[in-house]
Amino acid sequence: DSGVTQTPKHLITATGQRVTLRCSPRSGDLSVYWYQQSLDQGLQFLIQYYNGEERAKGNILERFSAQQFPDLHSELNLSSLELGDSALYFCASSRLAGGPVDEQFFGPGTRLTVL
Amino acid sequence: AQKVTQAQTEISVVEKEDVTLDCVYETRDTTYYLFWYKQPPSGELVFLIRRNSFDEQNEISGRYSWNFQKSTSSFNFTITASQVVDSAVYFCALSEAGSNDYKLSFGAGTTVTVRA
Repeated sequence: DSGVTQTPKHLITATGQRVTLRCSPRSGDLSVYWYQQSLDQGLQFLIQYYNGEERAKGNILERFSAQQFPDLHSELNLSSLELGDSALYFCASSRLAGGPVDEQFFGPGTRLTVL
Repeated sequence: AQKVTQAQTEISVVEKEDVTLDCVYETRDTTYYLFWYKQPPSGELVFLIRRNSFDEQNEISGRYSWNFQKSTSSFNFTITASQVVDSAVYFCALSEAGSNDYKLSFGAGTTVTVRA
């Protein structure tokens, strides 16, 4: 158990809908990262938040947004869902903003299925 | 451009065989970090090892060993005397210090199946 929690574990929804994925980092960790694992794109970095602020952006679609709250939990919002958004979404957390010894610990993932 | 290449899509071995997973990376940074993660059928990502670009020493941890060669930009992973529980998808990943975000760039993964 990495100490990172993600809810829900599974989510099934329809095209065009909007969903919110939630991540609670390990106690004391300030950074949260979101990754998407799909059959087409593999595992790819979406976005990082550090202490409430956006720190880095990867291949995140405009239909997707994220935020990190004062209690450091993070939410990933996916809107106007398409079939291709079906994937496993991982959250990871690290102690600092990133760096040589700032290991990322991964949560169990949320499996999103868009029908 | 793909920064991490895992050319082997799938490897199938019989228990007790050794299996080596290849990882080739591409970066212009002089400071970078390489990782291996394991993703068992249950789906979670399990951290196995982190290596920085200045440490080319090979590492052994139980049945796992890693061979880092900067000259060939490779960071290969060997499982010795494989077991059925080693069946998983293994990902190699790169984090570049120059990007200042330390995000992980993953390879496509290699699926290892160990048959009893």
